Amino acid sequence: DAKTTQPPSMDCAEGRAANLPCNHSTISGNEYVYWYRQIHSQGPQYIIHGLKNNETNEMASLIITEDRKSSTLILPHATLRDTAVYYCIVLIATGANSKLTFGKGITLSVRP
Amino acid sequence: EPEVTQTPSHQVTQMGQEVILRCVPISNHLYFYWYRQILGQKVEFLVSFYNNEISEKSEIFDDQFSVERPDGSNFTLKIRSTKLEDSAMYFCASSRDRLIGELFFGEGSRLTVL
Repeated sequence: DAKTTQPPSMDCAEGRAANLPCNHSTISGNEYVYWYRQIHSQGPQYIIHGLKNNETNEMASLIITEDRKSSTLILPHATLRDTAVYYCIVLIATGANSKLTFGKGITLSVRP
Repeated sequence: EPEVTQTPSHQVTQMGQEVILRCVPISNHLYFYWYRQILGQKVEFLVSFYNNEISEKSEIFDDQFSVERPDGSNFTLKIRSTKLEDSAMYFCASSRDRLIGELFFGEGSRLTVL
């Protein structure tokens, strides 16, 4: 029961912005959008999350469309170390049965 | 920066043996999780733990699995009788608030069952 769809892969040039899309057309009003990434076989790493407003932190920006059916994670200046699998996850942040469920994600390859 | 630490980083065991994977969550965190990732596959939820009891578990987490927080710092995953298909990377995670914010994951323990 995939709640999100992401392209399987994309690449970008080092130093350029990486824009990672995610569709979540069935998102409900109390579900947040979370982004995590997994570099090689390391543990997943939280990046950012949001409900409806755009969010920015030191790692990335999250742009959520007004209808909330899709979002874009932006890495403003991608480096080689940003090569990873990026996961877009939607869930109720504090639901009794909320848990992070990872899909296949999108593999971002940053080229020199 | 605080981090979740896991030991061992790699364990090789024979089928049928018991294995205990250890995790030290971040000290002021209250919620603890185990996930696993079979090579080349998705990261899968196993179990969540809060207030000294299991909050939720997946269908993977059968009677062969158990978790424990034996003292104020460690969080362990025990597999009683390992099977070949238990070979995977096991990730421990913790969070201060239930999913408000982020889960902090450890670097993982690779289990190889022969």
